[in-house]
Amino acid sequence: AQKVTQAQTEISVVEKEDVTLDCVYETRDTTYYLFWYKQPPSGELVFLIRRNSFDEQNEISGRYSWNFQKSTSSFNFTITASQVVDSAVYFCALSEPLNRDDKIIFGKGTRLHILP
Amino acid sequence: EAQVTQNPRYLITVTGKKLTVTCSQNMNHEYMSWYRQDPGLGLRQIYYSMNVEVTDKGDVPEGYKVSRKEKRNFPLILESPSPNQTSLYFCASSSRYRVQNEAFFGQGTRLTVV
Repeated sequence: AQKVTQAQTEISVVEKEDVTLDCVYETRDTTYYLFWYKQPPSGELVFLIRRNSFDEQNEISGRYSWNFQKSTSSFNFTITASQVVDSAVYFCALSEPLNRDDKIIFGKGTRLHILP
Repeated sequence: EAQVTQNPRYLITVTGKKLTVTCSQNMNHEYMSWYRQDPGLGLRQIYYSMNVEVTDKGDVPEGYKVSRKEKRNFPLILESPSPNQTSLYFCASSSRYRVQNEAFFGQGTRLTVV
């Protein structure tokens, strides 16, 4: 069965520290997509990244970077030099495009507090 | 601008009073879904629709109805809301051709049932 596990429920770091959010997924499909979404206090879901199962290249976007490792079924997210504006709930998610229901399976989220 | 629009953003209602949350997308997407978000549970799919007049249950459909009479609209109907339906609701849409497989989410509807 498909599953996304974000073991860290809540993390607090001091501003300018680096922080890594962990994500472990389970799927039987060989074709799948992984996502990260940010949910700020205002509540909307902000799309951060999508990675397909055939592309294991790590990605960097400014202070954000993602480490995709199929061998450990992980898709971790690192924020470098964190800022207070990074405080939010972050969701890792999985979709299997060959499934009929087009469902996105979300992890339970990690609440990140960046302390000034 | 490509977007998914939900209304209302906030709603407080009483138990048993029927309500509808509207969802509209302007991207001509075939797929549309509703999710609810609850603390500690993440987002869970309520219903989905693969195209006009095609709807099916997701993981938590009890107490909800949907309809898809037009491609752009996918309203969520609570015939007799109960307090356990107090939640944050998101509508999403995506293309069946999903080369990029990105789902677009609405801004969310925060519903409180008292």
